[in-house]
Amino acid sequence: SYVLAQPPSVSVAPGQTARITCGGDNIGTKSVHWYQQKPGQAPVVVVFGDSGRPSGIPERFSGSNSGSTATLTISWVEAGDEADYYCQVWDNSSDHVVFGGGTKLTVL
Amino acid sequence: EVQLVESGGGLVQPGGSLRLSCAASGFKFREYHMDWVRQAPGKGLEWVGRSTDKVHSYSTAYASSVKGRVTIARDASDDLLYLQMSTLRTEDTAVYYCVRNLRGYSSTWHGNYYYMDVWGKGTTVTVS
Repeated sequence: SYVLAQPPSVSVAPGQTARITCGGDNIGTKSVHWYQQKPGQAPVVVVFGDSGRPSGIPERFSGSNSGSTATLTISWVEAGDEADYYCQVWDNSSDHVVFGGGTKLTVL
Repeated sequence: EVQLVESGGGLVQPGGSLRLSCAASGFKFREYHMDWVRQAPGKGLEWVGRSTDKVHSYSTAYASSVKGRVTIARDASDDLLYLQMSTLRTEDTAVYYCVRNLRGYSSTWHGNYYYMDVWGKGTTVTVS
């Protein structure tokens, strides 16, 4: 089955740039979506289709995808960005949705 | 307003059954793929399964971890999505989310994709 690998945690100071990676076999050939989940809340999509941004999501959130790694980039990090972030793809070979294990973003 | 409201969670003994419901409103229910996603306490997100839209005949797909033990169904007339669970195990303990999928198009590989654009607040299932 298809596996997505995320670092368990990323820490960054306010105002800096956070980069959260999502690794997978030839992930560049898939469309990657990113979700933000704050404690006690349902997830919210922050990037879809590799680099699309839903309405209401700040321009500080951006995404890229190439080769074996997709990346969620959060510029000018704020305290309110502290959350768990998950990447997600559709695995055509198994007809399954696949989530990464999640990355906890800590704002120092 | 687009809304998904789950219900039906609760405490159930191992080996028991439970049916979760999801009431959809504010959009044309039949036109969207709908998923169930769960999250065990302190763990990450896990996809449970999908009911496709009417165009795709409301077909279903299930995660390997639950296949054979769960069934997803729709009541299209009442805009309800169901998750029927049986032979429940302690590892099925989780918050269960009902999720709507929105279709997009990839110009990179020239095909459609679906992403989860609306989530319910979830309903908690405890197997103990």
